[in-house]
Amino acid sequence: AQTVTQSQPEMSVQEAETVTLSCTYDTSESDYYLFWYKQPPSRQMILVIRQEAYKQQNATENRFSVNFQKAAKSFSLKISDSQLGDAAMYFCAYRNLEGYNKLIFGAGTRLAVHP
Amino acid sequence: DVKVTQSSRYLVKRTGEKVFLECVQDMDHENMFWYRQDPGLGLRLIYFSYDVKMKEKGDIPEGYSVSREKKERFSLILESASTNQTSMYLCANFPGTLVRLAGGLANTGELFFGEGSRLTVL
Repeated sequence: AQTVTQSQPEMSVQEAETVTLSCTYDTSESDYYLFWYKQPPSRQMILVIRQEAYKQQNATENRFSVNFQKAAKSFSLKISDSQLGDAAMYFCAYRNLEGYNKLIFGAGTRLAVHP
Repeated sequence: DVKVTQSSRYLVKRTGEKVFLECVQDMDHENMFWYRQDPGLGLRLIYFSYDVKMKEKGDIPEGYSVSREKKERFSLILESASTNQTSMYLCANFPGTLVRLAGGLANTGELFFGEGSRLTVL
């Protein structure tokens, strides 16, 4: 069975600085999706960025980018120029292409942003 | 944009009560999911449904059941609530399945979430 591990329960960053959130996963599949989701306090979960495993190029969305290392099964999220609104729980998630597309989530990392 | 609405943001129930958590989506999406979110455990899948009247157990279905009578509505039922079911419950949906076509995948693979229902069982 696939698993997703986020080893950092909490992280903090100064406003305008850069922070990297770690995620590792375990799978025997060769083709899959990886995601980072953001859950702001008392607000709904939204997608931050996604990576298709068959694409070697790392995904980028504005200030958010990933470092996808397929052989190492690592998928870290880098937030550049951190803003106060980035404070949230961040969840790493994995999805197979086969089956009913269930998402498997990590335990989450709570990010605090200090002014 | 897909809108996923959960009927109650906060509920307080007593042990043994029957609890209904409702989720409604305003798009024609096939797949709907119920997750439970607990600190340190992330999100764990309770049940999911890929079509009307179809349901599949997730990773932690014990103590729960679901109902999908209409495509837009997916209900989570706690037949007899217990204190260990105190949690945040998240509904989500997903349009169809990922299909590999020439040039890439047929859709984004993005899951759309509701705002969550925080249930406290006393």
